Amino acid sequence: KAGVTQTPRYLIKTRGQQVTLSCSPISGHRSVSWYQQTPGQGLQFLFEYFSETQRNKGNFPGRFSGRQFSNSRSEMNVSTLELGDSALYLCASSFGTNYEQYFGPGTRLTVT
Amino acid sequence: KQEVTQIPAALSVPEGENLVLNCSFTDSAIYNLQWFRQDPGKGLTSLLLIQSSQREQTSGRLNASLDKSSGRSTLYIAASQPGDSATYLCAEGGSEKLVFGKGTKLTVNP
Repeated sequence: KAGVTQTPRYLIKTRGQQVTLSCSPISGHRSVSWYQQTPGQGLQFLFEYFSETQRNKGNFPGRFSGRQFSNSRSEMNVSTLELGDSALYLCASSFGTNYEQYFGPGTRLTVT
Repeated sequence: KQEVTQIPAALSVPEGENLVLNCSFTDSAIYNLQWFRQDPGKGLTSLLLIQSSQREQTSGRLNASLDKSSGRSTLYIAASQPGDSATYLCAEGGSEKLVFGKGTKLTVNP
């Protein structure tokens, strides 16, 4: 069974640009979550989608947005990039509440 | 506010030693407690999930326990090996949101 995949794996952008990251969950999983990981703040929750509906959102500015498609694939978008957005962005999928979450390899975003 | 704390931040042990990693949480109504492993620059690998109705889970050389009354979970690693060197993270919550600790960086020396 294929794991969670994320594309692209590495990305370099300049301040002010926008970026879209993609996540394909494990087949059959309907919940997709996004996390930001930085050395200073650790892993922080961005948002979670289940069956195309956002169920929960973390404490991030409106520049961070996401969506989920009918095939459970998800995208997150960051507009007007700032230097502080440089991080490893991780996507996780699960069947739903009370099940294990499985993480993808992440997208390393560098903002210059 | 839910908080998860992991102490120590780093741990170095000789190969073959049994060790315990600690995780404490503030949410008494904990849903699930999940332990992960992260190798440098990589994503997270799920090790064990303990549901709120359970007290422990075992997989190979790993054993995780959950004590909701004291707000603690421990990950026991038996007969440690150099390949166990990684950062170990615990997280509490359900699929809607996980709250992570900062992790314990484990180094197992040959």
